[in-house]
Amino acid sequence: QSALTQPASVSGSPGQSITISCTGTSSDVGGYDYVSWYQHHPGKAPKLMIYAVSNRPSGVSNRFSGSKSGNTASLTISGLQAEDEADYYCSSYTSSSSVVFGGGTKLTVL
Amino acid sequence: EVQLVESGGGLIKPGGSLRLSCAASGLTFSIAWMNWVRQAPGKGLEWVGRIKSKSHGGTTDYAAPVKGRFTISRDESENTVYLQMNSLKTEDTAVYYCATEGYSFGYHSIDSWGQGTQVTVSS
Repeated sequence: QSALTQPASVSGSPGQSITISCTGTSSDVGGYDYVSWYQHHPGKAPKLMIYAVSNRPSGVSNRFSGSKSGNTASLTISGLQAEDEADYYCSSYTSSSSVVFGGGTKLTVL
Repeated sequence: EVQLVESGGGLIKPGGSLRLSCAASGLTFSIAWMNWVRQAPGKGLEWVGRIKSKSHGGTTDYAAPVKGRFTISRDESENTVYLQMNSLKTEDTAVYYCATEGYSFGYHSIDSWGQGTQVTVSS
């Protein structure tokens, strides 16, 4: 199972919006509404930000939103804040009953 | 609040074995699907495998790179999940995270994570 494809890095200024894409295949992203997004600050435990494509766990800011079209899922962060600077990963359930992660995207807040 | 605490990491020579433990609290362990996820130095997150709850057969699934070398098991009496790692390779060097799958939010989301334990495979 190959890793999902994410851009290596994205950046934005405070207050701006950014979008991170996550591209898979019909055997994972395109085949199930089981896409999740995680925020990972180095040295800390990853944190679930979005589940089931577009759902936010309680406590996660509504500045974070998710969507999916075909084999590509997206995470949008609006009103960028300095604390959003982190690594972001997508994941998907797969047709082989496994979980596959994206390669990760480093978000820099300028 | 779900808490997951990993232990058992360390330095091990190639070809050696190591067993990681993950003590779970704040959840009904018997219904939790438990996963292991790792992150090699400078790399992204990589799913290692899972063990389903007993009610779902307690079966296991593994990623291709570890299949046949790693074994996940669970002890319901201790609320603990284990990762037995055999025939270790240098490329197994990583921080290993214990995590629940779909426990709080369903939909195969990896929804609670431990802090991780470092495994270094080196001669």
